[in-house]
Amino acid sequence: DAGVIQSPRHEVTEMGQEVTLRCKPISGHDYLFWYRQTMMRGLELLIYFNNNVPIDDSGMPEDRFSAKMPNASFSTLKIQPSEPRDSAVYFCASSSLGNQPQHFGDGTRLSIL
Amino acid sequence: SQQGEEDPQALSIQEGENATMNCSYKTSINNLQWYRQNSGRGLVHLILIRSNEREKHSGRLRVTLDTSKKSSSLLITASRAADTASYFCATNGGQGGSEKLVFGKGTKLTVNP
Repeated sequence: DAGVIQSPRHEVTEMGQEVTLRCKPISGHDYLFWYRQTMMRGLELLIYFNNNVPIDDSGMPEDRFSAKMPNASFSTLKIQPSEPRDSAVYFCASSSLGNQPQHFGDGTRLSIL
Repeated sequence: SQQGEEDPQALSIQEGENATMNCSYKTSINNLQWYRQNSGRGLVHLILIRSNEREKHSGRLRVTLDTSKKSSSLLITASRAADTASYFCATNGGQGGSEKLVFGKGTKLTVNP
């Protein structure tokens, strides 16, 4: 079975550019989560969706960050404009129910120069 | 703020020894989950223990939960070099709500061959 698929795996771009991260959750999973992982702050939940609807975006750091889930098999996390402090590994995860184990993708390592 | 806090931050042992990692949390929970992360990869779910359970086993893994002390431990018996990874506890419920997981900063385990 295919797991959670994220693309790209690595992204290096210059400050001010728009960055789009993509995620395909496991088929049949109703919940999708976006996380950011840094050495300083650990793993932080940015936003999560239930049945394609954003439920809680309180972890989104600022208006430069936006996330969408146009259908059950695709989600994007966009940063515009990007800043060096956005450099981190961004993970997408999905689960069948909200309180059940989450399945993670292998992440996108983002470097903003 | 992080709900779960792992202890120790880093642990180095010899192959064949047991490894014990601890997790403390601050508020009531529905369940507590342990995840593993290999370098450069996403998190992988290991085991879930519900708030009304005290102990759970899965292969070489043993998890305990003490809700009165708001703490959990993960024991890996007869460790192998392949167990080298970071281990995270995550709590569901409490300040995170019933659908969100709040992760600790993890314990980095090194198993020397």
